[in-house]
Amino acid sequence: SQKIEQNSEALNIQEGKTATLTCNYTNYSPAYLQWYRQDPGRGPVFLLLIRENEKEKRKERLKVTFDTTLKQSLFHITASQPADSATYLCALPTGANSKLTFGKGITLSVRP
Amino acid sequence: GAVVSQHPSWVICKSGTSVKIECRSLDFQATTMFWYRQFPKQSLMLMATSNEGSKATYEQGVEKDKFLINHASLTLSTLTVTSAHPEDSSFYICSAIPGTSGYNEQFFGPGTRLTVL
Repeated sequence: SQKIEQNSEALNIQEGKTATLTCNYTNYSPAYLQWYRQDPGRGPVFLLLIRENEKEKRKERLKVTFDTTLKQSLFHITASQPADSATYLCALPTGANSKLTFGKGITLSVRP
Repeated sequence: GAVVSQHPSWVICKSGTSVKIECRSLDFQATTMFWYRQFPKQSLMLMATSNEGSKATYEQGVEKDKFLINHASLTLSTLTVTSAHPEDSSFYICSAIPGTSGYNEQFFGPGTRLTVL
């Protein structure tokens, strides 16, 4: 069966460091992958989409890579700030109508 | 742009009553909306796909007679939890997609916290 794994439940880092979050999947061949941010008690917010023919995509301090051979996406936040503390979810399209399946998420805490 | 609202933001109800949650796309038309449920420290679980003018498509294991979905216009979808029980207490979130491209990101509402006593 299809499965999405985010490698840990929590990641704690020092402000200014680079945070790297991992999303692995099995039994998928997705045309694209998305990353979302979710703050406690709020709905997710879209961050980045990367297509299967793209190796890397950047947006300000964010960088996403997509390795379809390893079936893995890495999400990087450079020069992390306490305001980056949140849960980050990866999502893959599964089915019609742009339906997405979400990973469990990784909670990032950036300490001052 | 691409703002989605939900109402109410939280609701407390007695067991056996029905609760309606509204999801609106404020500045775009959405032919497709999605309803998710999220338990504490769990991922979003898709409940159903709501298409304007047609019946919703429910995910396996989701009771369509208990979770009634109506997508009467291009900017409004409603989820009614009928005969709610304490195990239905959860965080319900809707999302919407502008247009019909398969690459579109989903825009989420702020969520509705349902507590059934």
